[in-house]
Amino acid sequence: EAGVTQFPSHSVIEKGQTVTLRCDPISGHDNLYWYRRVMGKEIKFLLHFVKESKQDESGMPNNRFLAERTGGTYSTLKVQPAELEDSGVYFCASSQDALAFVGETQYFGPGTRLLVL
Amino acid sequence: GDSVTQMEGPVTLSEEAFLTINCTYTATGYPSLFWYVQYPGEGLQLLLKATKADDKGSNKGFEATYRKETTSFHLEKGSVQVSDSAVYFCALRSGGYQKVTFGIGTKLQVIP
Repeated sequence: EAGVTQFPSHSVIEKGQTVTLRCDPISGHDNLYWYRRVMGKEIKFLLHFVKESKQDESGMPNNRFLAERTGGTYSTLKVQPAELEDSGVYFCASSQDALAFVGETQYFGPGTRLLVL
Repeated sequence: GDSVTQMEGPVTLSEEAFLTINCTYTATGYPSLFWYVQYPGEGLQLLLKATKADDKGSNKGFEATYRKETTSFHLEKGSVQVSDSAVYFCALRSGGYQKVTFGIGTKLQVIP
């Protein structure tokens, strides 16, 4: 079974540019999450999709970030325009059930390393 | 809100040494507790978990016991190997919420 995949693995852009990150969850997983780790800090939650609906977007830092999950399959996270403080590693995770219990495992992708210059 | 506290490291140990990485937490309700590991160049992998008080999670020689009275979930391994070199994240997930709350991550380096 294929795991969670993310593209690109690395991205280097200049301040003010736009970047789009993609996440493909494990097939059949209803839940999809985005997290971010800024260097030296904790991994922080950004948002959670259940199928194509945003269940919780309380962690999104500001309106420069836009996440979508068309058709309830893959998801994209767009940053427009990018700022220096957006640099970090963006992780995607998925889990199976829409009514997930608290101990259910979230499976993480390898992350996208974003550097904004 | 929920939070997880762990030592940042780096922790450097010789091969076959005993490992302890401390983790304490603050949470509402009855969280599930997790240890994730990130090997160099790879993504986060679930190492072990415990879903209720006094449960012990174990995997690959690592163990952690859910201690509600001390709100702790310390990670231990009796004899580390060079291949255990990685960053270890303690994490929790509270009842009624879907997100995982992580600690800062502890970098472990094991030298031959």
